[in-house]
Amino acid sequence: LAKTTQPISMDSYEGQEVNITCSHNNIATNDYITWYQQFPSQGPRFIIQGYKTKVTNEVASLFIPADRKSSTLSLPRVSLSDTAVYYCLVGNGSSNTGKLIFGQGTTLQVKP
Amino acid sequence: GAGVSQSPSNKVTEKGKDVELRCDPISGHTALYWYRQSLGQGLEFLIYFQGNSAPDKSGLPSDRFSAERTGGSVSTLTIQRTQQEDSAVYLCASSFSSGLAVFNEQFFGPGTRLTVL
Repeated sequence: LAKTTQPISMDSYEGQEVNITCSHNNIATNDYITWYQQFPSQGPRFIIQGYKTKVTNEVASLFIPADRKSSTLSLPRVSLSDTAVYYCLVGNGSSNTGKLIFGQGTTLQVKP
Repeated sequence: GAGVSQSPSNKVTEKGKDVELRCDPISGHTALYWYRQSLGQGLEFLIYFQGNSAPDKSGLPSDRFSAERTGGSVSTLTIQRTQQEDSAVYLCASSFSSGLAVFNEQFFGPGTRLTVL
């Protein structure tokens, strides 16, 4: 499984755009990039997944450069409720039986 | 139910006792996973069930840990002779399948907070 590196913590203010970058230098050809969000005292929740270029949904955007060695989760106009831990994961179901390897994640603190 | 449910939500036990944690996955999901999360840490994979295949037990930390999945649905994680280092939140997740070329979204339950005194 490709190892990921992301900042331990980030601070932001309400209304700002937040970009969290994840490094995954050893990503394999078949690997996808997936981001999960975890609020205190809850299980993680899927946010977004992508393979290359850009993916956008109602919650976030995911930017993946051509070499795929990094990815950036972009949260537009954050609010206090976006305060959470964000995990970047890399892998694919066929090679690792679907289990997810979580790192420390990035703790995002949104301030008023 | 609408989501993954786990019981109990909290469990306090004494060192040396056995505990059983239960997970009810989303109906129709063939894959089920157990993870452990210690305070302030990321999730640690424990065990994975996919249909009728032999489970992937590669994450179980010791032989005191075991899990079953009866009838392809409900799962029970058992910890024998609990130790203080077993204290953590135990999370269960399910997904429609393990996926082929794509990670299938895993839906997590609220977890069971285990405290071993």
